[in-house]
Amino acid sequence: ILNVEQSPQSLHVQEGDSTNFTCSFPSSNFYALHWYRWETAKSPEALFVMTLNGDEKKKGRISATLNTKEGYSYLYIKGSQPEDSATYLCAFYTGTASKLTFGTGTRLQVTL
Amino acid sequence: KAGVTQTPRYLIKTRGQQVTLSCSPISGHRSVSWYQQTPGQGLQFLFEYFSETQRNKGNFPGRFSGRQFSNSRSEMNVSTLELGDSALYLCASSSSGGLDEQFFGPGTRLTVL
Repeated sequence: ILNVEQSPQSLHVQEGDSTNFTCSFPSSNFYALHWYRWETAKSPEALFVMTLNGDEKKKGRISATLNTKEGYSYLYIKGSQPEDSATYLCAFYTGTASKLTFGTGTRLQVTL
Repeated sequence: KAGVTQTPRYLIKTRGQQVTLSCSPISGHRSVSWYQQTPGQGLQFLFEYFSETQRNKGNFPGRFSGRQFSNSRSEMNVSTLELGDSALYLCASSSSGGLDEQFFGPGTRLTVL
């Protein structure tokens, strides 16, 4: 059984704050690490797919880093806005199991 | 291009009945995966189909089955429904599988009474 852990479970920040979440995954048989944003009443939307140790991805105010040797990834949001309010999911893909295993997510709420 | 579509969006069934859910992937995508989401459980992998073949299956009982057609559309069937099957069922399509970003449909909300 693959364990993908995300922390914190929930986070409440004010507009303009910067924040980060953690995703921990098995350090063996790594193929890819996905990040998704899931807004209420919408479908999960892909943010990043990361495949290389030391990889860094950026999309606007959101960025992510990856450490496959120690089995963790960080997602950063700079200058949070109310529209960033969502649940952020990470998912680990190992070629041996050939399936995506999702964490339970970090729920972010950004208030004015 | 059109996104992933799922039908129906909402479904109410009673225990013991069976149900079939449908997923139409993005044009050109050959991989379709199904997930179950229940409160506090996160997305649980059900199965993945690629070019009409089931490539992997999650830890669900045999009452859960699926198939994929030559046009990549996929169906998921649950027989002998139980109360615990009440959940949001999401499908996701991608070009080739887990190394590609997944495009999710809106989901089917199944309620079992």
